Amino acid sequence: QKEVEQNSGPLSVPEGAIASLNCTYSDRGSQSFFWYRQYSGKSPELIMSIYSNGDKEDGRFTAQLNKASQYVSLLIRDSQPSDSATYLCAVRPGANNLFFGTGTRLTVIP
Amino acid sequence: KAGVTQTPRYLIKTRGQQVTLSCSPISGHRSVSWYQQTPGQGLQFLFEYFSETQRNKGNFPGRFSGRQFSNSRSEMNVSTLELGDSALYLCASTIRKPTGELFFGEGSRLTVL
Repeated sequence: QKEVEQNSGPLSVPEGAIASLNCTYSDRGSQSFFWYRQYSGKSPELIMSIYSNGDKEDGRFTAQLNKASQYVSLLIRDSQPSDSATYLCAVRPGANNLFFGTGTRLTVIP
Repeated sequence: KAGVTQTPRYLIKTRGQQVTLSCSPISGHRSVSWYQQTPGQGLQFLFEYFSETQRNKGNFPGRFSGRQFSNSRSEMNVSTLELGDSALYLCASTIRKPTGELFFGEGSRLTVL
């Protein structure tokens, strides 16, 4: 079982819609959760971090964490073509290194 | 504030050769992690260094090694290159653990022929 699982997609949404990206993790003791965005040919860029159950909002982005269900999600409101990228979920179990999912490719259609 | 700097950005090697990649973390960051990214496997953890000590190591063969210097700069080395080593090698730094966020460099793209 992989530490972090994501639907690889591709996920296509029309411009202005809400994009919903999901991630599950296996280590129940995980405490730190991150979402990275990676444009084609570029390195991952941190967009959100979340440490407590519930929602965390930053502009058009909302991260949601449910530790009981071992589930973390990212919502992108008012999706723009510039949001088209691969989104990587990352989880840190305790003090260990960061484990990444394989990413979900998002395409926002103008 | 300068980001994570990796050199070289691109390199081509042949099977059997060795390669050394360099990473300079963000100023003040003392932890450096290395990842290998391939289309099929995604981001795979190689190792992490903190204060010149390897703290964690991923599931890679001994041909992959690394080190960290007193100024927090890090190098990784791959010996006896194989075709499957072709990948994007990413270095990331963080100011602290265990909750530290990783900030990535642009990566070193290695092609093995």
